Amino acid sequence: GAGVSQSPSNKVTEKGKDVELRCDPISGHTALYWYRQRLGQGLEFLIYFQGNSAPDKSGLPSDRFSAERTGESVSTLTIQRTQQEDSAVYLCASSPTRSATDYQPQHFGDGTRLSIL
Amino acid sequence: AQSVTQLGSHVSVSEGALVLLRCNYSSSVPPYLFWYVQYPNQGLQLLLKYTSAATLVKGINGFEAEFKKSETSFHLTKPSAHMRDAAEYFCAVSRPNFGNEKLTFGTGTRLTIIP
Repeated sequence: GAGVSQSPSNKVTEKGKDVELRCDPISGHTALYWYRQRLGQGLEFLIYFQGNSAPDKSGLPSDRFSAERTGESVSTLTIQRTQQEDSAVYLCASSPTRSATDYQPQHFGDGTRLSIL
Repeated sequence: AQSVTQLGSHVSVSEGALVLLRCNYSSSVPPYLFWYVQYPNQGLQLLLKYTSAATLVKGINGFEAEFKKSETSFHLTKPSAHMRDAAEYFCAVSRPNFGNEKLTFGTGTRLTIIP
């Protein structure tokens, strides 16, 4: 497809289990972002990848959260030892490299709805 | 640091009436500002963006927003509401950058259209 693809669309798991969420960005998009949307709240930035540069992990809420991306392809967000407060929709966005004069907006996937029992 | 405040978590308007969704921002540098719309079980769709060009920005679906530096506001308007406008709307700010342009979002405003 032409858009950002996220899988699974829904994930229910027990507290304490590890989960892995996947994001396929739009082909050719060098920048990739992960955001978290908890019920009734706005989106919180989690992590940013740009090509082979060191990622910006400043938004990760704890060391239970980690993410990887190989080059400009797929990214995975891993949450270890899940807690109930991790229940949220996790959204991925990608954008092309932008020039000095041409802003490139972020394109969002439909998200993964994670529920921790 | 940057932040966004959306006044009114829920707004209801009659079909055909003016839509006004309020957004105020805080930023230590000239910001980029955005409005996104989210329909149920979907991701976010960009409605419009301000990136330091014209202060009155027109977007999709008949929406527009005006950047007012003196009021640190970026309110979203539409002259005549339609049933299909019912959704959640998020205002967001980012710091202009040639790399990381992470978005800081408000908490959202749910728009209900009354037939």
